[in-house]
Amino acid sequence: GAGVSQSPRYKVAKRGQDVALRCDPISGHVSLFWYQQALGQGPEFLTYFQNEAQLDKSGLPSDRFFAERPEGSVSTLKIQRTQQEDSAVYLCASGGSRFKDTQYFGPGTRLTVL
Amino acid sequence: SQQGEEDPQALSIQEGENATMNCSYKTSINNLQWYRQNSGRGLVHLILIRSNEREKHSGRLRVTLDTSKKSSSLLITASRAADTASYFCATAFTGGGNKLTFGTGTQLKVEL
Repeated sequence: GAGVSQSPRYKVAKRGQDVALRCDPISGHVSLFWYQQALGQGPEFLTYFQNEAQLDKSGLPSDRFFAERPEGSVSTLKIQRTQQEDSAVYLCASGGSRFKDTQYFGPGTRLTVL
Repeated sequence: SQQGEEDPQALSIQEGENATMNCSYKTSINNLQWYRQNSGRGLVHLILIRSNEREKHSGRLRVTLDTSKKSSSLLITASRAADTASYFCATAFTGGGNKLTFGTGTQLKVEL
């Protein structure tokens, strides 16, 4: 079946612009995670959804970052008033009920803020 | 912040040799997972080992876990050029739900 998909794959934004990154999880997966990966580093947790409920947003770096999953499937990560330090790859992962501890990652969105 | 560190940061071997990567972490965990990341591709899940397990195998992969030392190792036997990638360990720490905390990664290069 289809894996996790993310769009766009690449996004260039001017500093101060708002961006929206989309994640389509594997069908039926209840868990959805967002991570941020800076160049040369491992991914860092941003936020977690179980169905439509955002259960953990402790990793969001500032109130400029906002995530939603209104119908418990597709999720959007929004970054307002982007800054250069927001440049990174944003990874989405989903997890199912059968192997609930395993996370399946999408290809990521590479965001470059100029 | 990163939970742990992989060692070495970079490893270069010849095809057919074994590759060993180590991971250390800081807090009590529920499970530890290893992921592979190729250039231009997402993270691929390799293997998961739970805190009450000491060793696990999957194909050419062997993972060990020592919770007393808060460390894990990943062994790739009979390496292939296609194994060239970055390898990350990730921990689900106790009380942290299912979110993963990743290490800094080991860059493995397998040469023909």
